[in-house]
Amino acid sequence: GQNIDQPTEMTATEGAIVQINCTYQTSGFNGLFWYQQHAGEAPTFLSYNVLDGLEEKGRFSSFLSRSKGYSYLLLKELQMKDSASYLCAGTDSNYQLIWGAGTKLIIKP
Amino acid sequence: TAGITQAPTSQILAAGRSMTLRCTQDMRHNAMYWYRQDLGLGLRLIHYSNTAGTTGKGEVPDGYSVSRANTDDFPLTLASAVPSQTSVYFCASSDSSSAGGPDEQFFGPGTRLTVL
Repeated sequence: GQNIDQPTEMTATEGAIVQINCTYQTSGFNGLFWYQQHAGEAPTFLSYNVLDGLEEKGRFSSFLSRSKGYSYLLLKELQMKDSASYLCAGTDSNYQLIWGAGTKLIIKP
Repeated sequence: TAGITQAPTSQILAAGRSMTLRCTQDMRHNAMYWYRQDLGLGLRLIHYSNTAGTTGKGEVPDGYSVSRANTDDFPLTLASAVPSQTSVYFCASSDSSSAGGPDEQFFGPGTRLTVL
């Protein structure tokens, strides 16, 4: 079967670092996406990993291990505006996205 | 550039009525998608279109139909709405090609639909 698992909710402090994990199981695999979604808004693209390793993009980094079916999104120097849901999505053999339920990140001052 | 627009923003619909959710993109993307998003669940694909003139069924297609007469428009129709179709509906597009692998999807602002 196809499945994407990520924690439902996480809390972190402004200025700190947080890691949001995602495990996936898809029929065929063509990469993993991370999206950010603020409450009441549309998802917006953050990162795409298809090869093992860490991709850094400013304060956000994304990691992929294909052998372990595992990814994480690392957010550094947290700001209040980072309060949002973070959606993990794996791709199947038809390049369709299989979405996790999202991790709601709460940032406290 | 508008990107992707959806209409209406929100709608309350009586059960049994029909409705069409509109989606238009101006990025000349070949692929378009309709998702529904429900609390506690991930985005679920309803229908998709890889190119104008073709459509395909996603994970939850029952009760919905789509058409893709041209590149820009991808309307979603509920023929006879039921309360379980209460959801937030997102349209998305991408410049995807199977040779190049998956591309990021750009999302519209969503339509919040309530079926009573």
